[in-house]
Amino acid sequence: DQQVKQNSPSLSVQEGRISILNCDYTNSMFDYFLWYKKYPAEGPTFLISISSIKDKNEDGRFTVFLNKSAKHLSLHIVPSQPGDSAVYFCAATNTGNQFYFGTGTSLTVIP
Amino acid sequence: KAGVTQTPRYLIKTRGQQVTLSCSPISGHRSVSWYQQTPGQGLQFLFEYFSETQRNKGNFPGRFSGRQFSNSRSEMNVSTLELGDSALYLCASSLARDGQETQYFGPGTRLLVL
Repeated sequence: DQQVKQNSPSLSVQEGRISILNCDYTNSMFDYFLWYKKYPAEGPTFLISISSIKDKNEDGRFTVFLNKSAKHLSLHIVPSQPGDSAVYFCAATNTGNQFYFGTGTSLTVIP
Repeated sequence: KAGVTQTPRYLIKTRGQQVTLSCSPISGHRSVSWYQQTPGQGLQFLFEYFSETQRNKGNFPGRFSGRQFSNSRSEMNVSTLELGDSALYLCASSLARDGQETQYFGPGTRLLVL
């Protein structure tokens, strides 16, 4: 039972444009959401997070939006850079003890 | 601070064997979680340890087990290996404070079962 879903396995974007990665969840008890970035042969690296009491969190080029009513979050990368090419995972938790991850979206930023 | 370390980085085993993977969390982190990553499946949660106790367990067979030591280091064991156990095994540590927290991942151990 996949409680966190990333329905787009891949995404290609031109350098300088906006990348939008989407994530849906089913458990309304989730109260903390995170995005991770993963390069091949490395472990995931924490990127940005958002608490359920907020609807937006921004960190440099990265912004995460949370729509609780739709159980949907998205990651915006502006402007996209070739170094952003990686697999992005969204994750959610309601206890801080167990995290549920999506299947990942592979982002390719074309120079 | 040093990050999460995992050993070994790569491992080749044959069916029926058993394997032990090790994880050293970030200094001060008391929670350690283990995940299995396979193509198309994302990160599947195995179990989580805190203060030497298993707090949460995912939906994996009993062949998968783990433990945590008093210094927060953790080991994961898989017995009677099957071909389908070939995967990247990731360990993540966190402070485990109340409220929101972030998990920090190690580089993973890539296991190949022949």
